[in-house]
Amino acid sequence: GDSVTQMEGPVTLSEEAFLTINCTYTATGYPSLFWYVQYPGEGLQLLLKATKADDKGSNKGFEATYRKETTSFHLEKGSVQVSDSAVYFCALSDTGTASKLTFGTGTRLQVTL
Amino acid sequence: GAVVSQHPSWVICKSGTSVKIECRSLDFQATTMFWYRQFPKQSLMLMATSNEGSKATYEQGVEKDKFLINHASLTLSTLTVTSAHPEDSSFYICSARDWRMNTEAFFGQGTRLTVV
Repeated sequence: GDSVTQMEGPVTLSEEAFLTINCTYTATGYPSLFWYVQYPGEGLQLLLKATKADDKGSNKGFEATYRKETTSFHLEKGSVQVSDSAVYFCALSDTGTASKLTFGTGTRLQVTL
Repeated sequence: GAVVSQHPSWVICKSGTSVKIECRSLDFQATTMFWYRQFPKQSLMLMATSNEGSKATYEQGVEKDKFLINHASLTLSTLTVTSAHPEDSSFYICSARDWRMNTEAFFGQGTRLTVV
């Protein structure tokens, strides 16, 4: 079946540091890939997505590129802020849009001053 | 983006009682809704998929008689945890989408259930 593997956290960075959160996947066919963010006490919010190979999703300074050859969708941000502290989930959907999602275990990011 | 509202945000109930959680799409019609469960420090696990007007489809290992799902209208789905036990304590999150509009799924803020 489909699966998503994320790097374990927590990840602790100083403000303005570079962020990478690794995500790899296993799926049949050509899934769509997503990053969701969960701020403390809140539900999940879609951060960005990519629906086909070589697509780059971007939002709020975050970006991730759909790499079919390495089955990866790593999340990056050039300069993190304290407000980026949250849990980040990588997910895939094998039905095009974000319907039935398979999630990774989530990576907690803590950004300090 | 579209708004999905869950109610209540948190609930504490006694063991053996039932709890109902509501999931509403506020500004769109949700033809499909999904219910997830999130254990502490773990990922979200899909429990079931419900389409408006039809029975829910449960994932393997999820007891349909324990987790009753009703999707009676295009804006409301409910999850009822029947005869709750402490092991049912968890964070439950719904998501909703309108497949006719080919939209992504939007998530509610979640409900933290504690069974004592």
